[in-house]
Amino acid sequence: DAGITQSPRHKVTETGTPVTLRCHQTENHRYMYWYRQDPGHGLRLIHYSYGVKDTDKGEVSDGYSVSRSKTEDFLLTLESATSSQTSVYFCAISERDRKVDTQYFGPGTRLTVL
Amino acid sequence: QKEVEQDPGPLSVPEGAIVSLNCTYSNSAFQYFMWYRQYSRKGPELLMYTYSSGNKEDGRFTAQVDKSSKYISLFIRDSQPSDSATYLCAMKEGGSEKLVFGKGTKLTVNP
Repeated sequence: DAGITQSPRHKVTETGTPVTLRCHQTENHRYMYWYRQDPGHGLRLIHYSYGVKDTDKGEVSDGYSVSRSKTEDFLLTLESATSSQTSVYFCAISERDRKVDTQYFGPGTRLTVL
Repeated sequence: QKEVEQDPGPLSVPEGAIVSLNCTYSNSAFQYFMWYRQYSRKGPELLMYTYSSGNKEDGRFTAQVDKSSKYISLFIRDSQPSDSATYLCAMKEGGSEKLVFGKGTKLTVNP
């Protein structure tokens, strides 16, 4: 399972509240990613990180911010949650720093914004 | 034209059948090709990983990449009920962080 955990696994919140999702990895990978998965859209990249304090935007980054202060943790924050951000959020790591350029996914966080 | 096209199915087959899953793509710069399996309410699980063209076999699973036709396939031999899941194709350019996914094909293998 590539040593990835996500917390919380389920969350229900109200529109306008801030929400932070956490991704934790145990294998010291440099690259980490946040995706959302929605019916009809598939998996879409929100943000990614290529090292501590090094992050960049993906294709659906509006309304999201990220932080990475330690190698093992990558946080996704919804500053003011909206109903359109109801989704399943997956964290992933890449093994490209170990010569295999593919990604492994965590178990997901199911977020509902009322 | 979408970058990656995948028939969503659903696909229903009897146990023991050979299953063929396919994706087409438009970006000739894609070099890395992957198949993921996703069970209901779980994260995607990497099944097969191929660099460039050719075939790769792992047990009952065979992945094929035809870059000239921009077409990739996943074959499942002797399909089992435990293979019932959604299968996602994914691909990327070398050096890019962007992994582009198909929308997935839902497969049911009936005992």
